[in-house]
Amino acid sequence: GAVVSQHPSRVICKSGTSVKIECRSLDFQATTMFWYRQFPKQSLMLMATSNEGSKATYEQGVEKDKFLINHASLTLSTLTVTSAHPEDSSFYICSAPILGQKVKETQYFGPGTRLLVL
Amino acid sequence: KQEVTQIPAALSVPEGENLVLNCSFTDSAIYNLQWFRQDPGKGLTSLLLIQSSQREQTSGRLNASLDKSSGRSTLYIAASQPGDSATYLCAVRSGAGSYQLTFGKGTKLSVIP
Repeated sequence: GAVVSQHPSRVICKSGTSVKIECRSLDFQATTMFWYRQFPKQSLMLMATSNEGSKATYEQGVEKDKFLINHASLTLSTLTVTSAHPEDSSFYICSAPILGQKVKETQYFGPGTRLLVL
Repeated sequence: KQEVTQIPAALSVPEGENLVLNCSFTDSAIYNLQWFRQDPGKGLTSLLLIQSSQREQTSGRLNASLDKSSGRSTLYIAASQPGDSATYLCAVRSGAGSYQLTFGKGTKLSVIP
């Protein structure tokens, strides 16, 4: 089946630094990718939709200047958490649908990135 | 705005029992509903996907049902095993024009040997 990878799997950084998380579709092209955030014992909350070749669309309440998204190719989207603060500590998961599959439509999720900001 | 609720939040059962996980959603105009499994600190694995026109889907010991008009879905797990221990998430896709999913908070299942 389709595979989505994320790198790094976990990262610890100091407050005020920036962290980049990569999401790659390994065996299919993804013109759209989704970035979710999951706090402990909470559900996945959609942060933004990453669109290849155009600007990302952000959900209400998500600061676009803090969470920079770049979808530079059909297989790679990056999420950069700028000037990270401890409250940004969370589990970040990306997903990508395989467009055009109407019978088995699903999204393929990456394994997630655990971010801890000290 | 679509809201998805899962009950119970946690469930502990002895090995071999059959169990049911519940999911409800507020807007019945959905495109499909999906059940996922999430292991601690890991990503999501898709278990079953039910299109809005379907009533149920089965895969092995898993059976998911959908009652769109009442805004409910259930995930039935037969003959539970310790390896089934995980958090089970229900997610709704609202329209054909958008791939966005709205998730519930999940049910944390523990199957005790």
